[in-house]
Amino acid sequence: ILNVEQSPQSLHVQEGDSTNFTCSFPSSNFYALHWYRWETAKSPEALFVMTLNGDEKKKGRISATLNTKEGYSYLYIKGSQPEDSATYLCAFDSSNTGKLIFGQGTTLQVKP
Amino acid sequence: EPEVTQTPSHQVTQMGQEVILRCVPISNHLYFYWYRQILGQKVEFLVSFYNNEISEKSEIFDDQFSVERPDGSNFTLKIRSTKLEDSAMYFCASSVEGGGGQPQHFGDGTRLSIL
Repeated sequence: ILNVEQSPQSLHVQEGDSTNFTCSFPSSNFYALHWYRWETAKSPEALFVMTLNGDEKKKGRISATLNTKEGYSYLYIKGSQPEDSATYLCAFDSSNTGKLIFGQGTTLQVKP
Repeated sequence: EPEVTQTPSHQVTQMGQEVILRCVPISNHLYFYWYRQILGQKVEFLVSFYNNEISEKSEIFDDQFSVERPDGSNFTLKIRSTKLEDSAMYFCASSVEGGGGQPQHFGDGTRLSIL
C-alpha cells in the first residue's frame, strides 16, 4: 500500500515568520510529486508539479524542493502572510494514469 | 480563468437511493478524475477517465460506482444503492494532458450526505 505522510499536521505562525513542511512518499515507482493549496470552502489549487530529483520550484514567496531517492519534499513559505492560511496537500503520482495519492495535509494558520 | 464546476454543492439522499454527481471539466481538458474525502480522512482517488474509458480505478470504485461522459461537456459519477459510508466530499478534477505529472484542476466539490 502506497502511503504519503505530511508533517506537521498543523502549524500556527506569526505574520512575517518563515515556515516549512515536509511530505514523505515512497521512493520507488516515482512519477511526480504535486503540491496543492486548499483554502476552506474552495477547491484545491495546484502549486507545483515536480518530477526530477533535485527539482526546486518557486512561486512568489513559496518554494519547494524534491528528493526522490530518499522520498521527501519540502515546501517553504518565506515571510508568511495571513492570506497564506490554508491546508497544504502533497500528492504522490506513481503511474501514467494521473492517480494521485494524497497526504493528510498541513494546516497553516498565520496570525496578523 | 476557466474552472471545473460541480453540481450540486450539497446532496442529501436516503440510504439505498441512487445519486448522480455532475461535473463540467475545463473545456480543453481531456483527462478526468473523481476523488473523495470522508470527514477527517485523506483525499482518496476513485477513478481516472480518458477517451470515454476508465484508465484506472481504485478498490473503492466497485460495481456500485460508474462514470460517464454523456456529452461533450459533462462528466458524471453515479452511485447506485448508496450506503451510509458513502457520505463524503466528492471532487471532480481535470487535466489538459494525462500520463501523470500534469497538474489537476479541481472543482469545489459536492458534499454527499447519506441518511
